[in-house]
Amino acid sequence: GAGVSQSPSNKVTEKGKDVELRCDPISGHTALYWYRQSLGQGLEFLIYFQGNSAPDKSGLPSDRFSAERTGGSVSTLTIQRTQQEDSAVYLCASSQPTGLPSYEQYFGPGTRLTVT
Amino acid sequence: EDQVTQSPEALRLQEGESSSLNCSYTVSGLRGLFWYRQDPGKGPEFLFTLYSAGEEKEKERLKATLTKKESFLHITAPKPEDSATYLCAVQVSGGSYIPTFGRGTSLIVHP
Repeated sequence: GAGVSQSPSNKVTEKGKDVELRCDPISGHTALYWYRQSLGQGLEFLIYFQGNSAPDKSGLPSDRFSAERTGGSVSTLTIQRTQQEDSAVYLCASSQPTGLPSYEQYFGPGTRLTVT
Repeated sequence: EDQVTQSPEALRLQEGESSSLNCSYTVSGLRGLFWYRQDPGKGPEFLFTLYSAGEEKEKERLKATLTKKESFLHITAPKPEDSATYLCAVQVSGGSYIPTFGRGTSLIVHP
């Protein structure tokens, strides 16, 4: 079946502009995660959606970052007034409870954001 | 604070030269430990989940093992196509399902 998809694959924007990044999770997956990965760095957690529960926003680095998930499916990560330090690869992942104690994530290919 | 540390940061092997990658963790309680493979320009790809000490899982040339403090990813007779960054992540029991990732080991296998 189809995996997690993200768009655009690459985005170049000018400092101060707003950007929207989109994630289409695997159909039926109730959990959705956003991460940021900078060059040579690990995965930095941003936000977590699980079903109809309130999202866990504890990883968002500033109030310029926000995300929503419509209809329990597609998610959009919005970065307002972009800064050069926002340049990174933004990864989306989805997962589905399996009855086991924990469950693996399936990642999209990422969106490479460059702020000039 | 939950921590995940991977070592070495980088590893260069000759084709056929077996070795192991390490993931050590300090968490209040382990719900699950994951291994992922990430190729350049791509998202991480799930490899294994381990739940309890003593557990082992295998896939082709890879075998993952788990103790109470660390996990090893053993690579037997690696091939150049095994070159990638290998990521370890843990989920903590009693907490949310947000994993903590290590910074990865970059593996290069020379032909």
